[in-house]
Amino acid sequence: EPEVTQTPSHQVTQMGQEVILRCVPISNHLYFYWYRQILGQKVEFLVSFYNNEISEKSEIFDDQFSVERPDGSNFTLKIRSTKLEDSAMYFCASTPGRKATNEKLFFGSGTQLSVL
Amino acid sequence: QKEVEQDPGPLSVPEGAIVSLNCTYSNSAFQYFMWYRQYSRKGPELLMYTYSSGNKEDGRFTAQVDKSSKYISLFIRDSQPSDSATYLCAIQNGNNRLAFGKGNQVVVIP
Repeated sequence: EPEVTQTPSHQVTQMGQEVILRCVPISNHLYFYWYRQILGQKVEFLVSFYNNEISEKSEIFDDQFSVERPDGSNFTLKIRSTKLEDSAMYFCASTPGRKATNEKLFFGSGTQLSVL
Repeated sequence: QKEVEQDPGPLSVPEGAIVSLNCTYSNSAFQYFMWYRQYSRKGPELLMYTYSSGNKEDGRFTAQVDKSSKYISLFIRDSQPSDSATYLCAIQNGNNRLAFGKGNQVVVIP
């Protein structure tokens, strides 16, 4: 079965450093998402992306965050200057995009970001 | 007001028992309700989804929605050790944006 792949599985960085989390969504999917889960807290929506632009973002997704689809397969989340509170598991997800709502989200296994 | 509330307490049951999980939500406009299962070190995986009030059954799993009380439930019959996972309720909040509950860690003891 096709799956969303995320790399690396674990990333450690120093506060203030830039990090890029990488995702390869399922081939032929059109909508892409980033969610995050701080330890012990809910999985939270960050951003959705369609047709090379952000379609929706949450209040968490401030100017420190950006997303990009640099080529036909990768989808990246960049955090410009990491803070301690950015430490979380970051999940990428994708949907086929045949309809704008109520599609099944396919999640990757996540990247655990640890900011020291 | 928080969108979805799920009492995050862990749950241990003996194999074969019925597992009962539930969530409440705040916005009566929500229409799509989901249950995700998350195994350790994996992303959430869609288990069940329901539209509006009523029951939906899939094998040993039953999802129930009561819109009048804004209450959603998941029942697992004849629980198996392989059902041991964290179960997250979620509601759809427009454009495939999901709001999740905190999750219940379920352990089925052989």
